[in-house]
Amino acid sequence: GQQLNQSPQSMFIQEGEDVSMNCTSSSIFNTWLWYKQEPGEGPVLLIALYKAGELTSNGRLTAQFGITRKDSFLNISASIPSDVGIYFCAGQPRGSQGNLIFGKGTKLSVKP
Amino acid sequence: NAGVTQTPKFQVLKTGQSMTLQCAQDMNHEYMSWYRQDPGMGLRLIHYSVGAGITDQGEVPNGYNVSRSTTEDFPLRLLSAAPSQTSVYFCASMPTPGNTIYFGEGSWLTVV
Repeated sequence: GQQLNQSPQSMFIQEGEDVSMNCTSSSIFNTWLWYKQEPGEGPVLLIALYKAGELTSNGRLTAQFGITRKDSFLNISASIPSDVGIYFCAGQPRGSQGNLIFGKGTKLSVKP
Repeated sequence: NAGVTQTPKFQVLKTGQSMTLQCAQDMNHEYMSWYRQDPGMGLRLIHYSVGAGITDQGEVPNGYNVSRSTTEDFPLRLLSAAPSQTSVYFCASMPTPGNTIYFGEGSWLTVV
C-alpha cells in the first residue's frame, strides 16, 4: 500500500533552536496534515494544507505543501519545552474518500 | 478533539473474548473511521464509513467488524480478541472527505 516516509525519526534539541521535519510520498496527495500527539492523548491537528505550494503558519509552526504534491515539511521556530511530543504527517491520497495515510512520526525532545 | 467521544478509555481482554469500542460524534459528520496505533508506528486505518449504512475496509481490517446504523455512532467490534490486537485505537470523523479530520482521545486495549 501507499506509504509516507517521515524524517527524522527523533530529534533532541536545545530550547530556542529551530526544528524541521518532512514527509515524502511515492504518490500524489490532495491534502497534507500535520498532527502533534502527547502521551495518553489522541493526535491534535496543527496545520492543514490543501493546495500545492501552499505555505501556512500557526504561531511558531510553518508547514508547506510541496509543489510536486508528494512532500510536505513542518518547521518549528524557537522551540520551547512544551513542544515535546510526537509529530505526525498525514496525507489524503487522490480518491481516498478521506482516508489518511500516516507517517511513523518524529519524536521531539527539547532540553531546557 | 472536538466532539468525538470514545469509550472505554482502557480495557483488558482475555484472548478469545469479544468486545465493542464505542465511538460517537455530535458534529453531524458524514465520514467516520477507526485507526490503530502501535509503538513506533503511525496510525493505520482499520475500517471507515462515508455515511450511515456504508462501511468499507481500510489497511488492517482483519479481526474487526463495524456498522454504521446512525450518522452519530460507529462502533468497532472485536469478535475474538487476539494478543496482536493489543494497541491504541482512535476513532475519527470529518464533515466530508477532504475536510479536516478530528480524532477521539483513544482507547487503550490490552489482550492477554
